[in-house]
Amino acid sequence: EAGVTQFPSHSVIEKGQTVTLRCDPISGHDNLYWYRRVMGKEIKFLLHFVKESKQDESGMPNNRFLAERTGGTYSTLKVQPAELEDSGVYFCASSPVWWTGGSSGANVLTFGAGSRLTVL
Amino acid sequence: GENVEQHPSTLSVQEGDSAVIKCTYSDSASNYFPWYKQELGKRPQLIIDIRSNVGEKKDQRIAVTLNKTAKHFSLHITETQPEDSAVYFCAASRGTYKYIFGTGTRLKVLA
Repeated sequence: EAGVTQFPSHSVIEKGQTVTLRCDPISGHDNLYWYRRVMGKEIKFLLHFVKESKQDESGMPNNRFLAERTGGTYSTLKVQPAELEDSGVYFCASSPVWWTGGSSGANVLTFGAGSRLTVL
Repeated sequence: GENVEQHPSTLSVQEGDSAVIKCTYSDSASNYFPWYKQELGKRPQLIIDIRSNVGEKKDQRIAVTLNKTAKHFSLHITETQPEDSAVYFCAASRGTYKYIFGTGTRLKVLA
């Protein structure tokens, strides 16, 4: 089974430019999450999709961030315009259900390897 | 807002020794506590988790303990090996995948 795939693995852009990060979840996973880790701090929740709908976007920092999941498959996270403080690692994760089911079985939150964003 | 404090930020141990990482959570409604391991350049992977109705859980060399009264939970790794070197994250949630993570612990196992 393919895991959660993120692209690009690393992006370096100038302040004010636009970047789009992509996430392909595990096939069949209706739930898709975006998290972010900034400069060695904690990994923070950004938002949660159930299929194509935004279930919870309470962690989105501001309106420069736009997440989409058209068709309920892959998702994109666009940052426009990028600021210096947006630098960090953006993680995508997916799960078959939205409640925790323990480490056994299929109800596990699976992360991608992350997309590192550097804003200069 | 709710948070999870994680200590230490870095930990070096000799191969074969034990390692302990501690976390404290603030949201008393938290009932699920996973631990993730992230090796360099790889994705965070779930290594063990515990629910609030259990005080301890073991899986071979790793164990997690939970003290609900004190809102503390800890990861214990025994007989450490070089491949245990990684960044470890604790997290807390109210039973969903909206996690509140700790800041991570970089574990180095010295051969």
